[in-house]
Amino acid sequence: SQTIHQWPATLVQPVGSPLSLECTVEGTSNPNLYWYRQAAGRGLQLLFYSVGIGQISSEVPQNLSASRPQDRQFILSSKKLLLSDSGFYLCAWSVAPPGYTFGSGTRLTVV
Amino acid sequence: GESVGLHLPTLSVQEGDNSIINCAYSNSASDYFIWYKQESGKGPQFIIDIRSNMDKRQGQRVTVLLNKTVKHLSLQIAATQPGDSAVYFCAENTPYNNNDMRFGAGTRLTVKP
Repeated sequence: SQTIHQWPATLVQPVGSPLSLECTVEGTSNPNLYWYRQAAGRGLQLLFYSVGIGQISSEVPQNLSASRPQDRQFILSSKKLLLSDSGFYLCAWSVAPPGYTFGSGTRLTVV
Repeated sequence: GESVGLHLPTLSVQEGDNSIINCAYSNSASDYFIWYKQESGKGPQFIIDIRSNMDKRQGQRVTVLLNKTVKHLSLQIAATQPGDSAVYFCAENTPYNNNDMRFGAGTRLTVKP
């Protein structure tokens, strides 16, 4: 079966520290992968998507970056976190767009 | 840019009643719509979808209605249960936008016992 793993579930980081969130998918090949951010009480904002290894598209300019070193691995990073980076981060995959399967999310609090 | 919007940010219903969650979309080129349910602290889960060549689709206790004339989408939940309490998102797909789904702000459904 196809599954998506996202970790950690929660993270508290100081301002200016680096960030690395990882997402892996099992049971599928060559998925489209997505990173979304969700502010409290708000909808889902698409941050990055990837259609293949090393292929990253950014939706909005920000303090974050993404990488896809392997077919089923998607990483969200930052060199220096800002307070405004706090939120709920969701990874999603799709092998036949449209329609996504989401991970369980990471709640990031920047203090 | 165009986005998916919701009529009501919150909805409170009595257990056993039917719930209707509405969504207005603005992109007439959208050809596929999904309703997601997101429980607190979890990722959104697929509930039901509908393509633009349909105006109604039924699932288990849920029905999605699509009115393309007025660009309106609704989710009906029959005999609402406490476990239905969650935030519900509608999402639309526009073919020319890399098939990315665009999500609305969500409606928080609260079911009172």
